[in-house]
Amino acid sequence: ETGVTQSPTHLIKTRGQQVTLRCSSQSGHNTVSWYQQALGQGPQFIFQYYREEENGRGNFPPRFSGLQFPNYSSELNVNALELDDSALYLCASSLEGEQYFGPGTRLTVT
Amino acid sequence: GQQLNQSPQSMFIQEGEDVSMNCTSSSIFNTWLWYKQDPGEGPVLLIALYKAGELTSNGRLTAQFGITRKDSFLNISASIPSDVGIYFCAGIFAGGTSYGKLTFGQGTILTVHP
Repeated sequence: ETGVTQSPTHLIKTRGQQVTLRCSSQSGHNTVSWYQQALGQGPQFIFQYYREEENGRGNFPPRFSGLQFPNYSSELNVNALELDDSALYLCASSLEGEQYFGPGTRLTVT
Repeated sequence: GQQLNQSPQSMFIQEGEDVSMNCTSSSIFNTWLWYKQDPGEGPVLLIALYKAGELTSNGRLTAQFGITRKDSFLNISASIPSDVGIYFCAGIFAGGTSYGKLTFGQGTILTVHP
């Protein structure tokens, strides 16, 4: 059984650019959630996808958007990057209740 | 919004000692989860709790879902150096759109001295 994987591992972008992060969910899991973790803080919920539909959203602006594909993998897109977007981006997959996290993508915005 | 208060913020202990940390909330949660995160990695699920009063163990770890559904604690017995890391509590809020959004505490940084 394959766990949650994310790509890329690290990314450096310039303010104003756009970025796409990818996540492959654990086998059999149909729900993917995305979180942003700033340094020294707990993860903050961005949004959740269930069977290709957005199923809830946290307090993040519309320039944070996502997709889920038929194989339940997912993308997080961030437009017009700002310096404060620098963080570890985590995705978590789940079937019911328990969420299992990937290793994260470290995004640095300069 | 819902917030979790996790304490203590950090702990420095000797190998072999027991550790206790807890989370409290002003809101009722349906589910409590405890995670451990090593630097540069994603959180790893340690224990999941689904019913008020539930006490669950996973090796040297024991966690309880408070009967008021507003708190949870995690105990680690006989700590070892590999217990070092950041421990997070997380809950799924009982009200509103319960689509499984996790709300996290601020984390407890655990250091174990050999």
